Amino acid sequence: GAGVSQTPSNKVTEKGKYVELRCDPISGHTALYWYRQSLGQGPEFLIYFQGTGAADDSGLPNDRFFAVRPEGSVSTLKIQRTERGDSAVYLCASALYSNQPQHFGDGTRLSIL
Amino acid sequence: SQQGEEDPQALSIQEGENATMNCSYKTSINNLQWYRQNSGRGLVHLILIRSNEREKHSGRLRVTLDTSKKSSSLLITASRAADTASYFCATDHNTDKLIFGTGTRLQVFP
Repeated sequence: GAGVSQTPSNKVTEKGKYVELRCDPISGHTALYWYRQSLGQGPEFLIYFQGTGAADDSGLPNDRFFAVRPEGSVSTLKIQRTERGDSAVYLCASALYSNQPQHFGDGTRLSIL
Repeated sequence: SQQGEEDPQALSIQEGENATMNCSYKTSINNLQWYRQNSGRGLVHLILIRSNEREKHSGRLRVTLDTSKKSSSLLITASRAADTASYFCATDHNTDKLIFGTGTRLQVFP
């Protein structure tokens, strides 16, 4: 069956621009997670959805970052006024329920010039 | 911030040898998970061990957990070139989110 799909796979944009990153989780998975991974580091938690609601957004670095999951399936991570420090790989994962093994997409590599 | 620390940061071995990676964490947990990441790809779940378990096996993988020392180890036996990847431990520290360590980069030479 289909795994977690993330689009685009690569995104290059200029400082100050707005970007949207999309995640299609595995069908039926109620939990969805966003992480950010810098080179040589482990994934860093950003936000977690249980269904449509953000159950924990404590990892979002500031108010330029926002994520939605309006129908409890697809999620979009939105970054306003991008900065060069936002450059990283953004990973999405889904799980049948929270505290279950997570299934990851291949990520979106975001480069801010 | 990252909860766990893997040790060593990098490990190079020959095919057929065993590889051992260690993970230390800071706060109490419900479970600890190990993931593998190939270059440029997402993470793949390997094994989950609960806080009341001490050892778990899956194929060539063996994971131990010592909650008194807040540490875990991952042993890969009879390694193969295809095992070359980065390995991460992740802990939930009694929440619904995972906190990942810094990873061990394993290189297995044929």
